[in-house]
Amino acid sequence: GQNIDQPTEMTATEGAIVQINCTYQTSGFNGLFWYQQHAGEAPTFLSYNVLDGLEEKGRFSSFLSRSKGYSYLLLKELQMKDSASYLCAVKDSNYQLIWGAGTKLIIKP
Amino acid sequence: DTAVSQTPKYLVTQMGNDKSIKCEQNLGHDTMYWYKQDSKKFLKIMFSYNNKELIINETVPNRFSPKSPDKAHLNLHINSLELGDSAVYFCASSQGTSDSGNTIYFGEGSWLTVV
Repeated sequence: GQNIDQPTEMTATEGAIVQINCTYQTSGFNGLFWYQQHAGEAPTFLSYNVLDGLEEKGRFSSFLSRSKGYSYLLLKELQMKDSASYLCAVKDSNYQLIWGAGTKLIIKP
Repeated sequence: DTAVSQTPKYLVTQMGNDKSIKCEQNLGHDTMYWYKQDSKKFLKIMFSYNNKELIINETVPNRFSPKSPDKAHLNLHINSLELGDSAVYFCASSQGTSDSGNTIYFGEGSWLTVV
């Protein structure tokens, strides 16, 4: 079956750096997305990786290794507003998005 | 301006009732989706339409029927509601079909509670 694994919950301190990992086993690969979802709100797009390497966008960066079936989202200079769930999603060989359950990130002062 | 809007945001209804959730997008996108997010927070696709035509129809009960009058609208009608239908339903849209890297934009969600 197809599977996306992320930690259920992580805690970090304001101003610090946190890395949220995502591993996937899917039938084929056509890109990986990271979305942010605040409680009670819709998911919003953060990043898209289709080639190996690091994509940087401000305080957020996303890394992909296709050979390892692995990605991470790196958040720097954490702010309280970064408290949210972070969803990893992979497009399989049929271009269907397979979603992880999300990682709830708690930021403490 | 809201890009993907869906109504109602909250809906509490009794078992056995029939209800509809409406969705509209003003992004000019060709593809629209309905997703269900259950208590375990997994997002599961239910339907996908491209230019008013159904392209993805996952295994959902046939009590769920999507309708797309035009490419800017995708409504979800649910017959004979059951307790297990309680969830958050997200409408979404993207430019092009799912066979591309295009970003999916989500509506604010409709919280359905069946009692």
